[in-house]
Amino acid sequence: GNSVTQMEGPVTLSEEAFLTINCTYTATGYPSLFWYVQYPGEGLQLLLKATKADDKGSNKGFEATYRKETTSFHLEKGSVQVSDSAVYFCALSSRGTDKLIFGTGTRLQVFP
Amino acid sequence: NAGVTQTPKFRVLKTGQSMTLLCAQDMNHEYMYWYRQDPGMGLRLIHYSVGEGTTAKGEVPDGYNVSRLKKQNFLLGLESAAPSQTSVYFCASSSQRGGSYNEQFFGPGTRLTVL
Repeated sequence: GNSVTQMEGPVTLSEEAFLTINCTYTATGYPSLFWYVQYPGEGLQLLLKATKADDKGSNKGFEATYRKETTSFHLEKGSVQVSDSAVYFCALSSRGTDKLIFGTGTRLQVFP
Repeated sequence: NAGVTQTPKFRVLKTGQSMTLLCAQDMNHEYMYWYRQDPGMGLRLIHYSVGEGTTAKGEVPDGYNVSRLKKQNFLLGLESAAPSQTSVYFCASSSQRGGSYNEQFFGPGTRLTVL
């Protein structure tokens, strides 16, 4: 079945450091891929998405590229801020379904 | 717009008690979902609905029931709560089918503890 695997956290960084959170997936066909972010005490929000191979999603300085050859969708940011501290979820949606499949989430902690 | 709202925000139950969680959305979305979030397990889909009057089982439906009598509301019921149902519950809604695009909008969550 379809699944998403994320690197375990927490990821602890100093402000302005480079961020990578790894995400790989298993799916039949050509799924759409997403990163959602959950700030403390809140629900999830869509951060970025990519709907086909080689697409790059970007938002708020975060980027992720849909790599079909490596079945990956790694999240990157060049310079993190304290306000980026949150839990990040990678997710996929297969064509013809109404459901998202989430990874387990990666907690990011950024210190000044 | 309020987006997706959930009531209550917190609740403590004793084993065997029942309760209903209410989700409301004001975006005229067709699709609504209930998830539970547990440490180390991400979000797991409990039940979902693709339109008023319809419901379907998700990944972990046992012990829960749902109803979608009005398009804007999606209710999650626990008939006889168990400690294993201690979790944070999230409701979400979306306007499009899965596939090429499926952004879901989430509520703030309900933290439920079953003693």
